[in-house]
Amino acid sequence: GNSVTQMEGPVTLSEEAFLTINCTYTATGYPSLFWYVQYPGEGLQLLLKATKADDKGSNKGFEATYRKETTSFHLEKGSVQVSDSAVYFCALSDALGNTPLVFGKGTRLSVIA
Amino acid sequence: DGGITQSPKYLFRKEGQNVTLSCEQNLNHDAMYWYRQDPGQGLRLIYYSQIVNDFQKGDIAEGYSVSREKKESFPLTVTSAQKNPTAFYLCASSIRNTEAFFGQGTRLTVV
Repeated sequence: GNSVTQMEGPVTLSEEAFLTINCTYTATGYPSLFWYVQYPGEGLQLLLKATKADDKGSNKGFEATYRKETTSFHLEKGSVQVSDSAVYFCALSDALGNTPLVFGKGTRLSVIA
Repeated sequence: DGGITQSPKYLFRKEGQNVTLSCEQNLNHDAMYWYRQDPGQGLRLIYYSQIVNDFQKGDIAEGYSVSREKKESFPLTVTSAQKNPTAFYLCASSIRNTEAFFGQGTRLTVV
């Protein structure tokens, strides 16, 4: 079945550092890929998405590129801020859309000033 | 404003009591979902529904029940059979094969 594997956290960075959170997936066909962010005590918010190979999703300085050859969708940001501290989830939607999103286990990011 | 509304935000349950969590959406989405999140953990799927009057069990359905009588509403009942119900519950909705939109969650505590 479909699955998503994220790097384990927590990740602690200093402000203005470069961020990478790794995400790889297993799926048949061409799934859509997503990154969600969850702030403390809140629901998940869609951060960015990509629906086909080589697409780059971007939002709020975050980027991720859909790499079919490596089955990856790594999240990157060039300069993190304290306000980026949150839990980040990678997810996929199967190509036919017949089943719920499959989520990774989440990666907690803490950014210190 | 379109979105998903979960209520209440905080809920307390006594041992042996059933409680119902509300989830309403005005996004005209066909599919709705319930997830459970424990501290420091990912999301686990409880139930989902892709159409009115139909729903399927997720990975951890035991001790929970749902109904989908209206497109806009997908309430979750946590029954007394659920032995460890204290958790953060998240409701979501989507159009098929697209991103899901989440509510703000309900934190359930057994007292």
